Amino acid sequence: AQSVTQPDIHITVSEGASLELRCNYSYGATPYLFWYVQSPGQGLQLLLKYFSGDTLVQGIKGFEAEFKRSQSSFNLRKPSVHWSDAAEYFCAVGAGEKLTFGTGTRLTIIP
Amino acid sequence: NAGVTQTPKFRVLKTGQSMTLLCAQDMNHEYMYWYRQDPGMGLRLIHYSVGEGTTAKGEVPDGYNVSRLKKQNFLLGLESAAPSQTSVYFCASSPSGGAQFFGPGTRLTVL
Repeated sequence: AQSVTQPDIHITVSEGASLELRCNYSYGATPYLFWYVQSPGQGLQLLLKYFSGDTLVQGIKGFEAEFKRSQSSFNLRKPSVHWSDAAEYFCAVGAGEKLTFGTGTRLTIIP
Repeated sequence: NAGVTQTPKFRVLKTGQSMTLLCAQDMNHEYMYWYRQDPGMGLRLIHYSVGEGTTAKGEVPDGYNVSRLKKQNFLLGLESAAPSQTSVYFCASSPSGGAQFFGPGTRLTVL
């Protein structure tokens, strides 16, 4: 069975600082991996996805993520966060019909 | 394109009442999904459909029914609402599995 772990429930960073959100997955084959962002009261928006090829993928809003098969990880990074990045972030894994989502990491930005 | 839309945005029910949530997508996607989101639990799949006229159970299907009579619409029904069904419900669609595109959500309260 596939599963996703986001070990950090809540992270606080200063505006302008770098960010890394952790995601570990369990999947029996080569996974498709995704990061979504959810602003308060909104639906989920796709930030980026990994299907195959280059293990460093670029997404929208200046985010990137790196797939590390040996560590079963797909961590999300941003070099310099903006106040508008405050939101909840979800990692997801799957292929075919269904995705499995992590429980999310809430990101707070302090001025 | 409107993408994925959900009707209604908010609803309050009394225990035992019934209601239907409507999801519509204008992207000609084959796959559609219904999730519920509860604090600290991420997104849990209720039911999904891989094409017009098909439905399948997800992780938490009890107490819900669905129908996909038209490709663009996916209905979620609660026959006898219970307080445990208080949640935010999200619909999503996908062209053929993989990345999913989400609606804005329906906030349901069952008293």
